Amino acid sequence: DAKTTQPTSMDCAEGRAANLPCNHSTISGNEYVYWYRQIHSQGPQYIIHGLKNNETNEMASLIITEDRKSSTLILPHATLRDTAVYYCIVRDPGGAQKLVFGQGTRLTINP
Amino acid sequence: DTGVSQDPRHKITKRGQNVTFRCDPISEHNRLYWYRQTLGQGPEFLTYFQNEAQLEKSRLLSDRFSAERPKGSFSTLEIQRTEQGDSAMYLCASSPGLAGGETQYFGPGTRLLVL
Repeated sequence: DAKTTQPTSMDCAEGRAANLPCNHSTISGNEYVYWYRQIHSQGPQYIIHGLKNNETNEMASLIITEDRKSSTLILPHATLRDTAVYYCIVRDPGGAQKLVFGQGTRLTINP
Repeated sequence: DTGVSQDPRHKITKRGQNVTFRCDPISEHNRLYWYRQTLGQGPEFLTYFQNEAQLEKSRLLSDRFSAERPKGSFSTLEIQRTEQGDSAMYLCASSPGLAGGETQYFGPGTRLLVL
């Protein structure tokens, strides 16, 4: 079973920041938080991952709370092409290699 | 870096037929993974390879399913005696492994429809 909880769906206006929350209250010390997204009929696309510190790349920012029990993915200036299902995944690099996907959040960017 | 490629992208077959899918990972990636995704669900893990060794298999991988990675490069996933319940998107991913990092990069998938 997935170790994360995400809202089923969210809406955001084009050009605004999209903030996608994820709860992972049972995360252990060496588990990373990964985010992927899946645009309709395509394979999942890697976005970003982090352990403790906040991370930023060209696609998004990842904010992890100090207790690491939750995180937020931020798309700073959402475009229509960001409409997708976003998956938050917790993974132990030293453990099982598989990614365990939950239901994800269906993000719709509205014009 | 050309990304993970999968072939074919779409396959329609009749129940009882055998099908084979191919995955070409990103060059130099040691680890290769297969996932299955049914409509409305997230991807589910099937199996993974470290080079040519198949190190983990899911309970979802029934005896009608077999995966190989004979030379540690491309991989094939075969489904024998297909059933309508096998209709799904079959996804392949690869990662560098170990010191190269664990991030998995996915291919576009093969969509299978069993009639």
